[in-house]
Amino acid sequence: GAVVSQHPSWVICKSGTSVKIECRSLDFQATTMFWYRQFPKQSLMLMATSNEGSKATYEQGVEKDKFLINHASLTLSTLTVTSAHPEDSSFYICSAPPARDSLRAKNIQYFGAGTRLSVL
Amino acid sequence: LAKITQPISMDSYEGQEVNITCSHNNIATNDYITWYQQFPSQGPRFIIQGYKTKVTNEVASLFIPADRKSSTLSLPRVSLSDTAVYYCLVGEGNAGNMLTFGGGTRLMVKP
Repeated sequence: GAVVSQHPSWVICKSGTSVKIECRSLDFQATTMFWYRQFPKQSLMLMATSNEGSKATYEQGVEKDKFLINHASLTLSTLTVTSAHPEDSSFYICSAPPARDSLRAKNIQYFGAGTRLSVL
Repeated sequence: LAKITQPISMDSYEGQEVNITCSHNNIATNDYITWYQQFPSQGPRFIIQGYKTKVTNEVASLFIPADRKSSTLSLPRVSLSDTAVYYCLVGEGNAGNMLTFGGGTRLMVKP
């Protein structure tokens, strides 16, 4: 089945540094990927839609200069948390709709395993 | 977007059948009902999707009444490993649309 790989799974960084998170679709192409953030015991909140070859679309309240998204190829989207601060500590998850028509048509999506970011 | 209501939490015991009901009173004609499962510190995983009546796969069953204003995810004979958060999503089956997650139902399976 379709697999979405997310790396790293866990990162600890000092306040003020930047962290890059990668999301790869391993066996299918994804022109669109989605980035979510999840705080403990809460639901997933959509941050932005990553579009291959064009600018990402950010949800209201999400700073595009702080959360840089690059979708440089059909299999890779990256989220860079710039100048991270403790309040950015969270669980970041990406998803992608698969290319297989039967699944894509019903908007069934595959998720990465998530990246836990801890900013000290 | 359809307004979704599902219980915040449920407890069950190993071997029991668990039914989680989701209300979506203003579901649109083109909307599908999809359930995802999320274990702690992992991304959500697709469980099952349906449009009407009953759908069954190797993991669960999904019951959708004729008016489609609610749906019930049924997990047969749960085990401890089924402890997770279960999300009910309702949305149009257009390729590549974003998914909107509600609060989910936190299922705790006890021995």
